Amino acid sequence: EAGVTQFPSHSVIEKGQTVTLRCDPISGHDNLYWYRRVMGKEIKFLLHFVKESKQDESGMPNNRFLAERTGGTYSTLKVQPAELEDSGVYFCASSQTLTWATETQYFGPGTRLLVL
Amino acid sequence: GDSVTQMEGPVTLSEEAFLTINCTYTATGYPSLFWYVQYPGEGLQLLLKATKADDKGSNKGFEATYRKETTSFHLEKGSVQVSDSAVYFCALIYGGATNKLIFGTGTLLAVQP
Repeated sequence: EAGVTQFPSHSVIEKGQTVTLRCDPISGHDNLYWYRRVMGKEIKFLLHFVKESKQDESGMPNNRFLAERTGGTYSTLKVQPAELEDSGVYFCASSQTLTWATETQYFGPGTRLLVL
Repeated sequence: GDSVTQMEGPVTLSEEAFLTINCTYTATGYPSLFWYVQYPGEGLQLLLKATKADDKGSNKGFEATYRKETTSFHLEKGSVQVSDSAVYFCALIYGGATNKLIFGTGTLLAVQP
């Protein structure tokens, strides 16, 4: 079974440009999460989809970030316009159940974003 | 709010040494606790977890016990190998409408032959 995949693996852009990150969850996983790790700090939650609906987007830093999940399958995270502080590693995770005691979130390899 | 604090790295050990990575948490209730590991060039993998007080999670020779009295979940391994070199993240889930993980800053472990 394929794991969570993310594209691209690396992206280098200039300040003010737009970048779109993609995440393909494990097939059949209704829950999809985005997280971000900035400059060796802790990994922070950005948002959570259940199928195509946003369940929680409390971690989104500002309105320059837009996440979508088309048809409840893959998800995209767009940053427009990108700022220097957006640099970091963006992780996607998916899971099958929402019972917090039993859920396991499976993570992708991450997208390393560098904004110059 | 809820938070996780783990020891800063890097931690450098010789092969077969004993490993402890400290992790403490702050939470208003009784979260589930996790250790995730990120090997070089790979994504995060769940290493072990514990869902209630006094539970011990274990996997691949690693262990951690959920200590409510000290709000801790320290990771231990009796004899590390070079292949254990990775970044280790302690995390918690506190349930609710969304199961967002709250992570610590990560601890880089380097094991030398």
